[in-house]
Amino acid sequence: ELKVEQNPLFLSMQEGKNYTIYCNYSTTSDRLYWYRQDPGKSLESLFVLLSNGAVKQEGRLMASLDTKARLSTLHITAAVHDLSATYFCAVAENTGTASKLTFGTGTRLQVTL
Amino acid sequence: DAGVIQSPRHEVTEMGQEVTLRCKPISGHDYLFWYRQTMMRGLELLIYFNNNVPIDDSGMPEDRFSAKMPNASFSTLKIQPSEPRDSAVYFCASSPTGYSNQPQHFGDGTRLSIL
Repeated sequence: ELKVEQNPLFLSMQEGKNYTIYCNYSTTSDRLYWYRQDPGKSLESLFVLLSNGAVKQEGRLMASLDTKARLSTLHITAAVHDLSATYFCAVAENTGTASKLTFGTGTRLQVTL
Repeated sequence: DAGVIQSPRHEVTEMGQEVTLRCKPISGHDYLFWYRQTMMRGLELLIYFNNNVPIDDSGMPEDRFSAKMPNASFSTLKIQPSEPRDSAVYFCASSPTGYSNQPQHFGDGTRLSIL
């Protein structure tokens, strides 16, 4: 059974600071997704990482994937309040059929002034 | 293009009643997924369909839950009879292909409260 762990579960950080969220998973996969969820809202896709060494960047967020270590990171650079949300990683099982995703527990990010 | 559309947005009902949640996927997407989100268990995949056919329902919690997809533009998730522990946010998501570089697109969810 695929297990996906995120840490930290909660992160309070000051504006302007940098930090990294970690996503570890237990079995082989070559596809990983990052989503953002605002309170009471839907999940918004941020990044799709498809191969070992993949790196994607959008604004102050950068995601990377190391399939050998079964680890993905989401790095936040110079945080701003608008980044406050819950961030989920989701790992696809290599079923050969569909993108059956297992989600991590989520990291609730709070950016303070 | 319109996104994934779910209805109702909120549902409050009494224990024992039948609940039906509805989903319209993005046109052209041939995979449809139903998820449940709770504080205790996080986001769980309940069932998914490919070309209207259920592929994996191993996440459906028990026989009280059933899902159908009568055509490419409509799916339902039904709970009968409902229980307070079914209270959660239920999301529907769709994707254009299964094994792809496209993410799943989520609807706004149905917040279900069973009293």
